[in-house]
Amino acid sequence: DGGITQSPKYLFRKEGQNVTLSCEQNLNHDAMYWYRQDPGQGLRLIYYSQIVNDFQKGDIAEGYSVSREKKESFPLTVTSAQKNPTAFYLCASRPTPGQGRGYYGYTFGSGTRLTVV
Amino acid sequence: SQQGEEDPQALSIQEGENATMNCSYKTSINNLQWYRQNSGRGLVHLILIRSNEREKHSGRLRVTLDTSKKSSSLLITASRAADTASYFCATDESGYSTLTFGKGTMLLVSP
Repeated sequence: DGGITQSPKYLFRKEGQNVTLSCEQNLNHDAMYWYRQDPGQGLRLIYYSQIVNDFQKGDIAEGYSVSREKKESFPLTVTSAQKNPTAFYLCASRPTPGQGRGYYGYTFGSGTRLTVV
Repeated sequence: SQQGEEDPQALSIQEGENATMNCSYKTSINNLQWYRQNSGRGLVHLILIRSNEREKHSGRLRVTLDTSKKSSSLLITASRAADTASYFCATDESGYSTLTFGKGTMLLVSP
């Protein structure tokens, strides 16, 4: 079945440590997104990529980095510069609307819960 | 920045009742979407309504859009306990913009 796989499901980070969250999709979608979800604050956009080898900062990119070397993969690194990384991280993807193809919603992964210990 | 704002923040109903959630937004949009999130899981896309549409149905879901008031509503008819989840609206300004999500409505359906 096609979908988005996020791993790991739970991740613990020590102070000063960088960690990488994996996001892989086999939907052949062009665009991929990373959101952060905190209780009561909805989803906030961290980074997005609409094509391989290109990505853009979202609203809260500080302390995070990404790469998009393959269409299927969009890993997110939470660096030590991110002072409050404890949150639920969601990866999503979407196909590019083409001529007459209409508009699409996102397909989401099941999330990674990151906790600082 | 938060584009959509859902109302109410929380809603508790009995099975069989209808549940209505509202969403307001600030700027012009190409389309508006509704998502469901079960506790601790990813979001699931429910329905998309374009700016030139006023109403759309999908199973027990009915979505309306009033672009003059910059508002949308999601109606779930004959609610079931399995509908218990958080519901989010999201706006797409151009048709391929990054989506901007509201803070969500938590729906509890009691048996």
